[in-house]
Amino acid sequence: DTGVSQNPRHKITKRGQNVTFRCDPISEHNRLYWYRQTLGQGPEFLTYFQNEAQLEKSRLLSDRFSAERPKGSFSTLEIQRTEQGDSAMYLCASSWNNEQFFGPGTRLTVL
Amino acid sequence: TQLLEQSPQFLSIQEGENLTVYCNSSSVFSSLQWYRQEPGEGPVLLVTVVTGGEVKKLKRLTFQFGDARKDSSLHITAAQPGDTGLYLCAGVNSGYALNFGKGTSLLVTP
Repeated sequence: DTGVSQNPRHKITKRGQNVTFRCDPISEHNRLYWYRQTLGQGPEFLTYFQNEAQLEKSRLLSDRFSAERPKGSFSTLEIQRTEQGDSAMYLCASSWNNEQFFGPGTRLTVL
Repeated sequence: TQLLEQSPQFLSIQEGENLTVYCNSSSVFSSLQWYRQEPGEGPVLLVTVVTGGEVKKLKRLTFQFGDARKDSSLHITAAQPGDTGLYLCAGVNSGYALNFGKGTSLLVTP
């Protein structure tokens, strides 16, 4: 399967803990995106990489959130000091043109 | 604030019926995509429309992009239970980030 993959698929954590998610994009795609989706809403943009450069960040991305794409391949999204409001589906997408292809997401539950 | 408004929010129909869902905005988009999402999964790309007035067909699904590139519609002919899901429209109007609507949740019963 050469689609976008995300790990883990599910994460349950206690408030105040740190969590890290990984995204492996489609190999020939140079652009990588992170989105967050809560119940009853469409996905909301968090951040975007072109190769290893983080070119755009949403105001939703508070200073507790950090994303990296160290070698222009896989990406990680870390949330520090998690809060209950961080509970959501975190989606990764990749593209080489206007069409973005999404992974299956990581469902985060903060207790 | 969602730039794209989708209607209806929920739709429950019987197998064989036709339906249309709408995606409207006051903003102009350089391109617009339609996705279908199943519970617990990521959105799956159905189609991209780029040119105002463009019509694309994907089997029983017909997508139209408005002439002014501010709105779009998705028409499904003879809906089947396998069409059940959340239909999302998303557009790019600056940069590369997709702006999504809240989606139309479709349930097709046998």
